[in-house]
Amino acid sequence: QVQLQQSGPGLVKPSETLSLTCTVSGASVNNGTFYWGWIRQPAGKGLEWVGYIYFTGSTNYNPSLKSRVTVSSDTSKNQFSLELTSVTAADTAMYYCVGLTARATLDYWGQGTLVTVSS
Amino acid sequence: DIQMTQSPSTLSASVGDRITITCRASQNIYNWLAWYQQKPGRTPKLLIYRASNLESGVPSRFSGSGYGTQFTLTISNLEPDDFATYYCQNYNTHFGGGTKVDIK
Repeated sequence: QVQLQQSGPGLVKPSETLSLTCTVSGASVNNGTFYWGWIRQPAGKGLEWVGYIYFTGSTNYNPSLKSRVTVSSDTSKNQFSLELTSVTAADTAMYYCVGLTARATLDYWGQGTLVTVSS
Repeated sequence: DIQMTQSPSTLSASVGDRITITCRASQNIYNWLAWYQQKPGRTPKLLIYRASNLESGVPSRFSGSGYGTQFTLTISNLEPDDFATYYCQNYNTHFGGGTKVDIK
């Protein structure tokens, strides 16, 4: 059974970098079964794709965030990570790590991290 | 960049009703469309994949249809557990804006 465990701070100061990590168990980030990515959801609002990475290292980012976001993976730790630079209050949201399958479905979700951008 | 538009944004219904939610893609996505149900404080739950395939364990009152740019999610005989928000999602993880189904 694939499980995703998120870690990272819940409070980030404006203009700083948001960093979250997702540790994968039950699957390897280094094979082609899944795409690994991040989704966010501001309170009371809809789901927004942030970006994802494939085992080849190729990435795909939301165009509205592309200049500020990096998704990377660490195969030695079986983890993937999100970095979002120059954050503002608009980046305050619940962030989820996800596993996207060949069916193009988000079959696996982390538990979510509420990230608040505030000084 | 493919845009996904859902309608309506809110739908009021009663237990036993049949409801339909529509999702439109800005370009052809063939049948690469999934539907999710989300309840407050929970992660989304997959209902339908490849436009019309029912995910294992999902009740048969849920059904999906469509191809290309127009898709629908239908819930027949609405049950109390179905009051939630529903999202469509295309193959590239773009989501529709969501449809909140609440009690009339």
